[in-house]
Amino acid sequence: AQKITQTQPGMFVQEKEAVTLDCTYDTSDQSYGLFWYKQPSSGEMIFLIYQGSYDEQNATEGRYSLNFQKARKSANLVISASQLGDSAMYFCAMRDTNMDSNYQLIWGAGTKLIIKP
Amino acid sequence: DTAVSQTPKYLVTQMGNDKSIKCEQNLGHDTMYWYKQDSKKFLKIMFSYNNKELIINETVPNRFSPKSPDKAHLNLHINSLELGDSAVYFCASRLSGRENYGYTFGSGTRLTVV
Repeated sequence: AQKITQTQPGMFVQEKEAVTLDCTYDTSDQSYGLFWYKQPSSGEMIFLIYQGSYDEQNATEGRYSLNFQKARKSANLVISASQLGDSAMYFCAMRDTNMDSNYQLIWGAGTKLIIKP
Repeated sequence: DTAVSQTPKYLVTQMGNDKSIKCEQNLGHDTMYWYKQDSKKFLKIMFSYNNKELIINETVPNRFSPKSPDKAHLNLHINSLELGDSAVYFCASRLSGRENYGYTFGSGTRLTVV
C-alpha cells in the first residue's frame, strides 16, 4: 500500500538557518508525484512545491527546494534562509493512482516547524 | 479573486442536526475533493468528483452526502451530526493533467458538534 512517512513531529530552527523536513514514501508505481503543503496557524493549506517521479532535476520554488532521492524513496523539503513566517505545519503528500486518472493525495502526518527569532 | 471558496468558515451545531458546507471554485478546474482533517491534523480524503461525476467515495458514514450541481461546485451535506464529526473539512480542486500546479484548497470549515 502507498504510504508517506514524516518522522519529525516537530522542529525548532533559528531564524535565517536552512531547514530540511524529511519525507519518505512507499509505492510500487513507476509514475507518481510528490507534493509539499504548508498549513500556518490560520489553517489554510498552501501548495509549495511538486516533484514528478520522472523529473530529472530537483524541483525549486523560490526559497523552497525538494531534495528528491528516488532510490531512497525520499523527498525532503529544504527551506533556505528561514523566516519567522515559515512557522507552520508542513505536509508531504503523494499522488495515489486511482481509477479514471482521478488521483487522490496520500498524506503524511506532518511536521510542525517553529522558527525562533 | 480566483480561489476555492468554502462557506461557512466556522460551524457550531448540536448533535442530531443536519448541516451543509458549500464549496465553489472559479479556477476552471474539473476535479473537486472533500478532505477531513482530524484533531491530530491528519488529512483523509472523503469524496472526489470529476466533471460532476462521483469518482472516489471513501469509507465514510452514509450520513455524509456530497452533491455537485456543476463542475464548479461541490457541497457536503451531513445528516444527524455526531460528536465525532467535529473536524476541519477542506474542499480542494485541481485540473486534470496539470499536477505540477498542485491541488488548490479552500480555507477550511471548522465543524464543532456539541
